[in-house]
Amino acid sequence: SAVISQKPSRDICQRGTSLTIQCQVDSQVTMMFWYRQQPGQSLTLIATANQGSEATYESGFVIDKFPISRPNLTFSTLTVSNMSPEDSSIYLCSVGTNQETQYFGPGTRLLVL
Amino acid sequence: GESVGLHLPTLSVQEGDNSIINCAYSNSASDYFIWYKQESGKGPQFIIDIRSNMDKRQGQRVTVLLNKTVKHLSLQIAATQPGDSAVYFCAETGGGADGLTFGKGTHLIIQP
Repeated sequence: SAVISQKPSRDICQRGTSLTIQCQVDSQVTMMFWYRQQPGQSLTLIATANQGSEATYESGFVIDKFPISRPNLTFSTLTVSNMSPEDSSIYLCSVGTNQETQYFGPGTRLLVL
Repeated sequence: GESVGLHLPTLSVQEGDNSIINCAYSNSASDYFIWYKQESGKGPQFIIDIRSNMDKRQGQRVTVLLNKTVKHLSLQIAATQPGDSAVYFCAETGGGADGLTFGKGTHLIIQP
């Protein structure tokens, strides 16, 4: 499986600010996704990061709040904009190839004060 | 909306015993199912998967069973070890470019 890294691994941010999370894969992948895992809960899909076009967002998530970039087949960023304490979560990227199996990065642990 | 859920939030078993983690799904169009293991401070780790045209698949110490009639999925872990302690999630997808829908998770605790 691909080796996936995320930066930063964790951060503490002030409300009203924005944080950009990076996801890097060691090989080209077809699909990249972003998920949120709120404290003590399961994972929820935020969006599919499409290479060369706008991301596809799930219900309840909007581009103004979670802008996503995917400039190539090995890299994507997720920005959490105008943060509030409710945005405190683990943010995870995952990758998929031509199979449906998705592999996850280590996650970015965000605390908003 | 469609969802994937788990029956038991916490499961405690003795080391060496077998464990069974259950999952119910409601999307009849689900085509592919995955079990993940998440240890504290880490991302979900792929364990085993199964497609809707199968009812059983075995890996090393793990078996996944799929009952499409009742929309039920289970993960069996044989001879549990301390390293099996983690939260286990089932996930489903319609396949292709779809993202995953996750269940609530079961915290498996292995007692010595």
